[in-house]
Amino acid sequence: AQSVTQLGSHVSVSEGALVLLRCNYSSSVPPYLFWYVQYPNQGLQLLLKYTTGATLVKGINGFEAEFKKSETSFHLTKPSAHMSDAAEYFCAVSDPRGGFKTIFGAGTRLFVKA
Amino acid sequence: AAGVIQSPRHLIKEKRETATLKCYPIPRHDTVYWYQQGPGQDPQFLISFYEKMQSDKGSIPDRFSAQQFSDYHSELNMSSLELGDSALYFCASSSGRGYTFGSGTRLTVV
Repeated sequence: AQSVTQLGSHVSVSEGALVLLRCNYSSSVPPYLFWYVQYPNQGLQLLLKYTTGATLVKGINGFEAEFKKSETSFHLTKPSAHMSDAAEYFCAVSDPRGGFKTIFGAGTRLFVKA
Repeated sequence: AAGVIQSPRHLIKEKRETATLKCYPIPRHDTVYWYQQGPGQDPQFLISFYEKMQSDKGSIPDRFSAQQFSDYHSELNMSSLELGDSALYFCASSSGRGYTFGSGTRLTVV
């Protein structure tokens, strides 16, 4: 069975500060890992994904995440927060063997202060 | 680039009515997924289809059914609607790695 834990339901940063959203997963097989963003009143949008290969994955809007197998983590970072980054972020895991059903974390709401 | 199209964007129904939500995947995507996101909740997987066959089933109520058609679009049929069915219903399509989500259909049951 797979699961995802996002640490912190709310994260608040100042504009220009580092964004760090934490995600830990459990999986019995090498997983596919994803970060999605949901802006108010919009659907989920894929930020980035890890399948195989390079463990540091770069996504849209300056976000990146690093797959650390030893720590079973896939934390999302951005060097400098922008007001437009305020949204809900979901970490997700899927089993490549299991029809790509995706297990989502509970989400972390990011607030950006001016 | 073409995205996943869902219709309608908004739907208001009364209790015990039926509703049909439609999802048009990205061209050449052969897999469609349906998710339900209740107010303040994370998305819950409902059901998926691969090559027009049901491939996986999640927490979909018996009152709901879905299918994928020959042109790969999918429809989620919901009967005997309840107030608790009010939610945002996402469709996603995939060609095998990751998803592209539609913008969702917001269903309100009154």
